[in-house]
Amino acid sequence: KAGVTQTPRYLIKTRGQQVTLSCSPISGHRSVSWYQQTPGQGLQFLFEYFSETQRNKGNFPGRFSGRQFSNSRSEMNVSTLELGDSALYLCASSSPSGREQYFGPGTRLTVT
Amino acid sequence: DAKTTQPPSMDCAEGRAANLPCNHSTISGNEYVYWYRQIHSQGPQYIIHGLKNNETNEMASLIITEDRKSSTLILPHATLRDTAVYYCIVRVDQGKLIFGQGTELSVKP
Repeated sequence: KAGVTQTPRYLIKTRGQQVTLSCSPISGHRSVSWYQQTPGQGLQFLFEYFSETQRNKGNFPGRFSGRQFSNSRSEMNVSTLELGDSALYLCASSSPSGREQYFGPGTRLTVT
Repeated sequence: DAKTTQPPSMDCAEGRAANLPCNHSTISGNEYVYWYRQIHSQGPQYIIHGLKNNETNEMASLIITEDRKSSTLILPHATLRDTAVYYCIVRVDQGKLIFGQGTELSVKP
């Protein structure tokens, strides 16, 4: 079974731009969660989607948004990029039981 | 979700058992204990989880105390590839993991 895939793997953007990151979960997994990892704040939960609906949300500003499609693929969007948005963005899909999460390799975003 | 406390770093000799402790004294009855690890620059990897009973899988064993206020992850024969940051998490919310700072385990030859 293929694992969680994320595209692109690396991205460089300029302050003020917007960015869209994509995540394809493991086949059969319907829940997708997004996390941001920075050296200062560690791993922080952004939001979770299940069956195209946002089920959980972390404490991030409205510039961070996401969506999920009927095939469970998910995208997250960050608008009006700030230097502090430079981070590793990780996506995880949950097993049908909801107990285990399987993470993708992440997208490394650099904002200049 | 309950808060967890882990030592910031630990060393272990290659081939020996690595015992990683975690304190979760405020855990509630329906919260599971999860362990993940993150090898440098990769996505976190699920290791094991448990509610009350001790659990074992091909990667590790999880020992939970009877009062559930602490647990220990055991890697029975640590290898250099087990060098990683290990996170202990307690949660009830599906799909949402709250990561702490974790324990940086260094396995040395």
